[in-house]
Order: sequence, then structure tokens, then C-alpha cells
Amino acid sequence: DAGVIQSPRHEVTEMGQEVTLRCKPISGHNSLFWYRQTMMRGLELLIYFNNNVPIDDSGMPEDRFSAKMPNASFSTLKIQPSEPRDSAVYFCASRRDRGTTYEQYFGPGTRLTVT
Amino acid sequence: AQSVAQPEDQVNVAEGNPLTVKCTYSVSGNPYLFWYVQYPNRGLQFLLKYITGDNLVKGSYGFEAEFNKSQTSFHLKKPSALVSDSALYFCAVRGERDDKIIFGKGTRLHILP
Repeated sequence: DAGVIQSPRHEVTEMGQEVTLRCKPISGHNSLFWYRQTMMRGLELLIYFNNNVPIDDSGMPEDRFSAKMPNASFSTLKIQPSEPRDSAVYFCASRRDRGTTYEQYFGPGTRLTVT
Repeated sequence: AQSVAQPEDQVNVAEGNPLTVKCTYSVSGNPYLFWYVQYPNRGLQFLLKYITGDNLVKGSYGFEAEFNKSQTSFHLKKPSALVSDSALYFCAVRGERDDKIIFGKGTRLHILP
């Protein structure tokens, strides 16, 4: 299994530009999570989906952030317009909600720098 | 509300010595407990979990953790530390009726040669 795949791995953009981060969960997993990690705030849950439906987006910082999951194998996190304070590492994680499999598996992350 | 606390920002241990990374939690109902490790510039890797059964659970890389219900703790342990164990360790908890896993702030483990 290839694990959770995220792209791009690094993104450098200027303030005001649109940024789109992509995630492909592990095949067969039906829950997907977007996290943001910074030194100041640690690991924050932004939003999670179950069976492609957004369940809880209370962690999304503001309206500039949006996430979609059009199908079971793809999700995007979009920031428009981006700001320097959005600089962070963004992780996607997936989980199969079946049996005793309760753990999440994380992708390698996208390091976003907004200048 | 669910919460998890890792009281130590950093733990230093000499190579070959036993290590403990502390974690306490608060949930409604029975807890599902997890430990993850993060190496530099990498995503979080699952180490081990407690769902039910034996209080001592074993995981990857020789790590184990002990679930203590009365103390609401789930400390991570290893009998003999390796320099390669140096990393950031996250404890996480989920209530049995919850969907979300809540992560602690992480503990940086330094194994000194």
C-alpha cells in the first residue's frame, strides 16, 4: 500500500494567492482528516470527512479555508487568499472505521510558506 | 470534552537507559488511546494503541504503553533507549462515542549517546 499521498510536498507562494493542497487517502479508508502543524499551536484538526461528507469543520480558521472530498480517493484543502500566518505544515490522514481499526494514518505533509 | 495532556515538553535519556514519556487523558466513557512518533520532516507514524483488553500494549520499535484507568494515564515506555528513538512523540485519545482523535502537544525525546 502506498499510504496516504499528499501533493505538493512543498509550496511557496505570495500573499494573496490561491493555494490548493491535495490528498489521496489509503484505499478502503472511509474517514479523512486535515491537520495543520505549527511550532506555536502544535497539531490542529481543521476538518474531517466520513464517507466523503464533511462532519466537523469547526477547526477551519476562517472563510479563506475550504475543503472538499468529491470522491473516496481524493480531497483538497484550498486557501484563498493566502496570508503569511497560514505558513505551516498541512497533514492529511485517513482511517478505516471498521472492526478494531481505530488509528489514523498520516501522509508526509505539505510544507506551505506564504511570503 | 476530550482532552489529553503531555506534561513534559522534552525528555532527555541516556542511550541504553529505560525511557518513559507521560500522558494523561480525559474522556467520557471508555477511552481509545494512541501513541504516534514524528521524525524530522515526516508525517506522524502510528506506534501503538489501547482499545480494550490487557493494560500493557506493545507496539513498533520495542515501545510499549501501560493503560492505567484509575490514574487516567497511558505512559509510553521502552526498556532500553536508542539514539534513533530521538523524535517527537504524540499521545492521542478518542472517546468510544466520538469520531475525532485529540492529540497532545507532543514531547520531544532526546536520547543522548
